[in-house]
Amino acid sequence: AQKITQTQPGMFVQEKEAVTLDCTYDTSDPSYGLFWYKQPSSGEMIFLIYQGSYDQQNATEGRYSLNFQKARKSANLVISASQLGDSAMYFCAMREGSNAGNMLTFGGGTRLMVKP
Amino acid sequence: GAVVSQHPSRVICKSGTSVKIECRSLDFQATTMFWYRQFPKKSLMLMATSNEGSKATYEQGVEKDKFLINHASLTLSTLTVTSAHPEDSSFYICSARDGITNEKLFFGSGTQLSVL
Repeated sequence: AQKITQTQPGMFVQEKEAVTLDCTYDTSDPSYGLFWYKQPSSGEMIFLIYQGSYDQQNATEGRYSLNFQKARKSANLVISASQLGDSAMYFCAMREGSNAGNMLTFGGGTRLMVKP
Repeated sequence: GAVVSQHPSRVICKSGTSVKIECRSLDFQATTMFWYRQFPKKSLMLMATSNEGSKATYEQGVEKDKFLINHASLTLSTLTVTSAHPEDSSFYICSARDGITNEKLFFGSGTQLSVL
């Protein structure tokens, strides 16, 4: 079974509007971390936001927020006020266990395209 | 923030030659580094986990003798693609964990390998 599922291969959003990128995960470990990364066409991976499984509140970082629904095992990324520079691939990832040195498992990614 | 430098960013080589890719953590010590491979428009696939001073842990299906990983110091890990073939052409990217802000994995800028 897929550990991380991103069901949207591609998304369009109008500039200045908000967009939600879906991510569901599967783990039996009570301790885990969820990450979102942005990958522009240059290929680099840019860390956006992190949510720990025991965090009580949804994570927020500027225009990025993570809609964490633990019972549904979903960790959707919300980007508010989209900008043209937000056009990129977005990857959801999970680290299982409490050891921060554990590897990340990535979802298949969602390509976001922001329309002017 | 923490910086991971990956070199070279792009390499073209002939079939049968070996190529070395370096991954350096510039301002922190990385006891663990990860090597990923990414095919065009695909997700990142973990190849191996590199631990300083010990042998790398390879994922299932990754040939150890083909992809040699060395992590000789706390700031440097290398991936050597030995006897490269055209099917090894891909985007390779490394990441390292900053032991202080240990929830984030910082990524190198990636290496595009093209084997002719």
